[in-house]
Amino acid sequence: NAGVMQNPRHLVRRRGQEARLRCSPMKGHSHVYWYRQLPEEGLKFMVYLQKENIIDESGMPKERFSAEFPKEGPSILRIQQVVRGDSAAYFCASSPPGQAGSYTFGSGTRLTVV
Amino acid sequence: AQRVTQPEKLLSVFKGAPVELKCNYSYSGSPELFWYVQYSRQRLQLLLRHISRESIKGFTADLNKGETSFHLKKPFAQEEDSAMYYCALAGSNYKLTFGKGTLLTVNP
Repeated sequence: NAGVMQNPRHLVRRRGQEARLRCSPMKGHSHVYWYRQLPEEGLKFMVYLQKENIIDESGMPKERFSAEFPKEGPSILRIQQVVRGDSAAYFCASSPPGQAGSYTFGSGTRLTVV
Repeated sequence: AQRVTQPEKLLSVFKGAPVELKCNYSYSGSPELFWYVQYSRQRLQLLLRHISRESIKGFTADLNKGETSFHLKKPFAQEEDSAMYYCALAGSNYKLTFGKGTLLTVNP
């Protein structure tokens, strides 16, 4: 089991472009979470998804950000029209059902907006 | 609202000394508390959870509801314990709220 796989590891985008971050959860895990880490800050919750459902998106900015976890394939965090302030490390985690808080984390995607 | 506070950004101890990483929380319900650790160039990983009442790598943490604390302790620190430690709280909705982390350095 390869664990939680995130790609790409590093992503550079110019202002105004779109960024797509992918996350494949661990086998058997049906819950996916996205977190953002800014410099000197802890991990900030963005969104919690299960297959084909967004359960909690209270941490997502209202505009430009969206997330999905389709029936087939990885979860995608999409940022449209990126700005410099979107530069951060984005982490994905997954957990099996019924185990609140016991996350397995991916290595993260470091997004740099130039 | 869920909130986790780790008052120490940095903590430095000598090998063999006791270590305590502080964590305080705010939550109106019955929380589940966790400690996560990130070693250099590795992924963030679960260290322990309070409901398991276990000791991992010599670390223990006791939930004190009166003081709303979940401090992480180890009686004799080792150099390999040097890492970033995050305290986290899970409410009723599976969402984890993290503190800002404490960087522990164990000096030889």
